[in-house]
Amino acid sequence: KAGVTQTPRYLIKTRGQQVTLSCSPISGHRSVSWYQQTPGQGLQFLFEYFSETQRNKGNFPGRFSGRQFSNSRSEMNVSTLELGDSALYLCASSLQGEGYGYTFGSGTRLTVV
Amino acid sequence: ELKVEQNPLFLSMQEGKNYTIYCNYSTTSDRLYWYRQDPGKSLESLFVLLSNGAVKQEGRLMASLDTKARLSTLHITAAVHDLSATYFCAVDKDRGSTLGRLYFGRGTQLTVWP
Repeated sequence: KAGVTQTPRYLIKTRGQQVTLSCSPISGHRSVSWYQQTPGQGLQFLFEYFSETQRNKGNFPGRFSGRQFSNSRSEMNVSTLELGDSALYLCASSLQGEGYGYTFGSGTRLTVV
Repeated sequence: ELKVEQNPLFLSMQEGKNYTIYCNYSTTSDRLYWYRQDPGKSLESLFVLLSNGAVKQEGRLMASLDTKARLSTLHITAAVHDLSATYFCAVDKDRGSTLGRLYFGRGTQLTVWP
């Protein structure tokens, strides 16, 4: 079966711009969570969505937002990009968001210049 | 806040040797995950441990969970170069409540040399 699809794979943006990343979960999975990975901070949780509702949110500024659609696909948006937003952004797909394992997508490598 | 600590953070070992990576966590959780990450790649699920005493093995890797000690181990047997990667442990439960998110350790960067 198809895995978790993240688009785009690579992105270069300029400071001040905004960006939208997309994540399509495994068919039948209703939970999508997002993580930011940087060498300095490691893997940090951004937010989690289940059936179009945000259930959990990490400690990130309001510039980071997300949403989930009725088909479980999710998008995250970062506005007013800063150099420090350069990172690998990973989304994880889960059946219900617990206990059954989380499958990660290939990630989006965002570079802010 | 829930903490997950791995050690060592860096591990350099010779092919054929055995070693163990340790993962301590601060919550009362009976669920723990291990992932592997190759450079520039995403996270690959290795093991899902769902109860105290759980032990799972895949090839040269074996993971175990001791919820009383809040400790999981990832044991490497007769290491080969292909095992070189970064290994993460993570939890998603605290005192019986699902957190809806994973708390990750910092990762153990494993290098296996001939």
